[in-house]
Amino acid sequence: GAVVSQHPSWVICKSGTSVKIECRSLDFQATTMFWYRQFPKQSLMLMATSNEGSKATYEQGVEKDKFLINHASLTLSTLTVTSAHPEDSSFYICSVTGLDLSADTQYFGPGTRLTVL
Amino acid sequence: QKEVEQNSGPLSVPEGAIASLNCTYSDRGSQSFFWYRQYSGKSPELIMFIYSNGDKEDGRFTAQLNKASQYVSLLIRDSQPSDSATYLCAVIIGNQFYFGTGTSLTVIP
Repeated sequence: GAVVSQHPSWVICKSGTSVKIECRSLDFQATTMFWYRQFPKQSLMLMATSNEGSKATYEQGVEKDKFLINHASLTLSTLTVTSAHPEDSSFYICSVTGLDLSADTQYFGPGTRLTVL
Repeated sequence: QKEVEQNSGPLSVPEGAIASLNCTYSDRGSQSFFWYRQYSGKSPELIMFIYSNGDKEDGRFTAQLNKASQYVSLLIRDSQPSDSATYLCAVIIGNQFYFGTGTSLTVIP
């Protein structure tokens, strides 16, 4: 499998601030990274898909100006939640696929729990 | 019809029994199928993937794929309390990855 890290693992911030979450693939080149959000006791919700060096593709209903995604390299993608509000409190999880991995298998990072006060 | 459907459960089985989790999908042309396990408060972790019709075994886990009937299942033999989690089925349809909503499994000691 693949090793994927996320930083920070949890963050608490005040309403109106911006929060950056990093997703790193540690042992392979991630050609595609996915960002998910999961509210308590609900299923995964895909927010966006990003390919290295190109703009992210956002799912319907996800504001691209609020959730900024940068996939600058084959090992790093960042999600910035701008002007966060309490309703943005959620569990944010990235996943990756890559040329070296088993077909199109997605491997998940450990997630980042965001709490906006 | 959703692309991937699972019974949300909860499914309860006694320790040592076989847990059977089922998933159906909408696209007959789908080729890649995955099972993930997600513990409460944690991110999903891959259990196994299957591409060909039939059974694929890995330890206590067996994935079964029937493309004609468009279902994929996961059997967990000798269920343990540590298997209590939500199990997510995922299917690649077209070139997109679709997750089911997950089945909650509780293994009762």
